[in-house]
Amino acid sequence: DIQMTQSPSTLSASVGDRVTITCRASQSISSWLAWYQQKPGKAPKLLIYKASSLESGVPSRFSGSGSGTEFTLTISSLQPDDFATYYCQQYNSYFLTFGGGTKVEIK
Amino acid sequence: QVQLQESGPGLVKPSETLSLTCAVSGYSISSGYYWGWIRQPPGKGLEWIGSIYHSGSTYYNPSLKSRVTISVDTSKNQFSLKLSSVTAADTAVYYCARGGLFNAFDIWGQGTMVTVSS
Repeated sequence: DIQMTQSPSTLSASVGDRVTITCRASQSISSWLAWYQQKPGKAPKLLIYKASSLESGVPSRFSGSGSGTEFTLTISSLQPDDFATYYCQQYNSYFLTFGGGTKVEIK
Repeated sequence: QVQLQESGPGLVKPSETLSLTCAVSGYSISSGYYWGWIRQPPGKGLEWIGSIYHSGSTYYNPSLKSRVTISVDTSKNQFSLKLSSVTAADTAVYYCARGGLFNAFDIWGQGTMVTVSS
């Protein structure tokens, strides 16, 4: 199976900060990577697919980059609505796997 | 717009079978796409359970494969999950979603909490 490792697991930041979350795959997944945002008690929401494609309706302050085994999710200017947990997920193989999550907290 | 809604018992006894259904509206399952189940134990991360193609072909998380069956009913525009021999470790919020191999999970149900307890 392909292991997905996210870092950091927790991140403290302030409104207006630039935030970067990293996701590493244990083997190459080309660009078959998605990023999700989850708020407490809610279902995950797709933000980015195919590593860098912004899902319709998602604010442009969110961006994704990377290919192969190293990926990043960047929030250019953190907004109050962005405090949440973020997950990466690979969908390159029949065994789909998620990263462990990164909780973005208010500093 | 496309919407997914999970339904099923919120409480299941240990060793019994958990059964959930996901009703799809706004899109015909038979038109395409993969459809999947994902779960999240309380306070923990996301775990993919399995996915089914509109044609009925399935693939499962190897760690759950021996206990999981996912099926599709195109006449009712829904797909279902059965997880047998459940234990307390299967207590989780269960989500259905559209997506699978080479498709991100772009649409999710609201989730349903299932507790395994006697």
